[in-house]
Amino acid sequence: ETGVTQSPTHLIKTRGQQVTLRCSSQSGHNTVSWYQQALGQGPQFIFQYYREEENGRGNFPPRFSGLQFPNYSSELNVNALELDDSALYLCATQPYGTGINVGELFFGEGSRLTVL
Amino acid sequence: GENVEQHPSTLSVQEGDSAVIKCTYSDSASNYFPWYKQELGKRPQLIIDIRSNVGEKKDQRIAVTLNKTAKHFSLHITETQPEDSAVYFCAASIGAAGNKLTFGGGTRVLVKP
Repeated sequence: ETGVTQSPTHLIKTRGQQVTLRCSSQSGHNTVSWYQQALGQGPQFIFQYYREEENGRGNFPPRFSGLQFPNYSSELNVNALELDDSALYLCATQPYGTGINVGELFFGEGSRLTVL
Repeated sequence: GENVEQHPSTLSVQEGDSAVIKCTYSDSASNYFPWYKQELGKRPQLIIDIRSNVGEKKDQRIAVTLNKTAKHFSLHITETQPEDSAVYFCAASIGAAGNKLTFGGGTRVLVKP
């Protein structure tokens, strides 16, 4: 158990709709990253938030956006859903800074999105 | 950007045998290389990681080796057990703080009893 929780666990949307996914951070972890994992593939980095600011972004269009709140929880918003957005969306948290154990990401169980 | 290739995509071994998974990366600035295990329907979990100032690291039955010159790293699992059956992902990133990982495509390992 990592202490990282995501909601909802499963959801179904139709093309063109919008979705918001949520992630609560493990205690003491002020950095949150979002990854998209399509079926049978490795996770792909979407973006990262640190101190409520975006701190790096992968190769995803602007309709993927996010927020981080003062309690370090986070949201991923996807507008104008497309069929290819169907995937498992993983949230991962970590403490920011230097040190031996900083590297490990702690993943949540994910939110499985199906776009019809 | 960074690109990570992982081979093989599937690996079937007999219980007790060894399993080896290989990854290559493209960005010579990458300096952190974790391996994650993902069981069906579960979250990825870190099983071992290695930093670029180390050539090899071992933790019980698993070990990772890194060749910075060739830009490849490998996962070795010895004395495999049925509970080792899962999908394994290698990854690479630049910098230990604020990791933004680039993952390989994954290797599905099946350990046959």
